[in-house]
Amino acid sequence: SYELTQPPSVSVSPGQTASITCSGDKLGDKYACWYQQKPGQSPVLVIYQDSKRPSGIPERFSGSNSGNTATLTISGTQAMDEADYYCQAWDSSISYVFGSGTKVTVL
Amino acid sequence: EVQLLESGGGLVQSGGSLRLSCAASGFTFSTYAMSWIRQAPGKGLEWVSAISGSGGSTYYADSVKGRFTISRDKSKSSLFLQMNSLRAEDTALYYCAKKAAAGTGGYYFDYWGQGTLVTVSS
Repeated sequence: SYELTQPPSVSVSPGQTASITCSGDKLGDKYACWYQQKPGQSPVLVIYQDSKRPSGIPERFSGSNSGNTATLTISGTQAMDEADYYCQAWDSSISYVFGSGTKVTVL
Repeated sequence: EVQLLESGGGLVQSGGSLRLSCAASGFTFSTYAMSWIRQAPGKGLEWVSAISGSGGSTYYADSVKGRFTISRDKSKSSLFLQMNSLRAEDTALYYCAKKAAAGTGGYYFDYWGQGTLVTVSS
């Protein structure tokens, strides 16, 4: 089965840059997206098709995907960005798969 | 405004059945594929099942194949998940989610419901 691996946690100081990785076999050959989930809330799409931002998502969220790794970058991290982040990919052989999730803490 | 409202969750004994519903509004329901995604307490997201816009194609995670059935009703703009032979490990918050767009570039979810909680007691 196909797996997407994320670090369990990432810590960042306010105003600094947080990078969250998502690793999977030949992930760069697929489209990756990212969701933000705050406690008690439903996931919210923050990046789709590797690097595109939905309407309403701040510019400080950006994404990339190459080789075996997709990366979500939060520039100028704010306290409101503290949340769990999940990557997700799709392939005709695996259907949808989510990463294990990363808890971002803004210290 | 797109809205997805799940219902039907509850407490059920191991081996029992439940039927989840998701009422959709704010978009042309029959145009978009839909999915069920679950999240066990304190755990990550797990895709469960998907159905095409027409309802003619269905897909399941290996963990639920043969036990769960996804369906949709165009006239009611509703999505369903019939869950049989429930197990303790099926305990989770179940979300319905809308596939963002047609085509291979659209395999992500742009709208999620608030979820309905399923608890399976052993």
